Amino acid sequence: GDSVTQMEGPVTLSEEAFLTINCTYTATGYPSLFWYVQYPGEGLQLLLKATKADDKGSNKGFEATYRKETTSFHLEKGSVQVSDSAVYFCALSEAGTYKYIFGTGTRLKVLA
Amino acid sequence: EPEVTQTPSHQVTQMGQEVILRCVPISNHLYFYWYRQILGQKVEFLVSFYNNEISEKSEIFDDQFSVERPDGSNFTLKIRSTKLEDSAMYFCASSEAMGLGQPQHFGDGTRLSIL
Repeated sequence: GDSVTQMEGPVTLSEEAFLTINCTYTATGYPSLFWYVQYPGEGLQLLLKATKADDKGSNKGFEATYRKETTSFHLEKGSVQVSDSAVYFCALSEAGTYKYIFGTGTRLKVLA
Repeated sequence: EPEVTQTPSHQVTQMGQEVILRCVPISNHLYFYWYRQILGQKVEFLVSFYNNEISEKSEIFDDQFSVERPDGSNFTLKIRSTKLEDSAMYFCASSEAMGLGQPQHFGDGTRLSIL
């Protein structure tokens, strides 16, 4: 079945460091891909999305490109801030189904 | 910005008791969902609901679970006889439409603790 694999956390970075959180997926069709962020004590917030190959989703300085050839959707940010500390979830949805399939989440901690 | 609201934020219940988790989806949304996250594990899909009926459910969503939209605003998840393994964070979500790329908007979750 479909699945999403994320890199293990936690990831600890200094402020202004470059961030990459890896996400790869397995799907039978051509899914839409999403990154959600969960700040402490809050729910899941949509960060960005991409719906087809080579699409780049971007928001708040974060970017991710839908790579069909490597079945990946890695999240990147050029310069992280302390306020980016959160758990990041990669997710996919397939056509014809209502559900999202999530990865395990990657906790990011940014130190001042 | 409109948001999905869940109550209560934390529910503590004795094993075997019934529990109802409540959600108010975004007002113009037509599709509603429940997910759960057991501590340290993945967020898992439970059920989706559209036009007053279940449109899709997972293997987790057995006869102990039910969903209802009792009025024009609330969407509830009922667990009939809770087990210890039902302890988890339960997220409600809603979306305006269903289809590729349609984002689901999540609430802050209800933490359910079964004693």
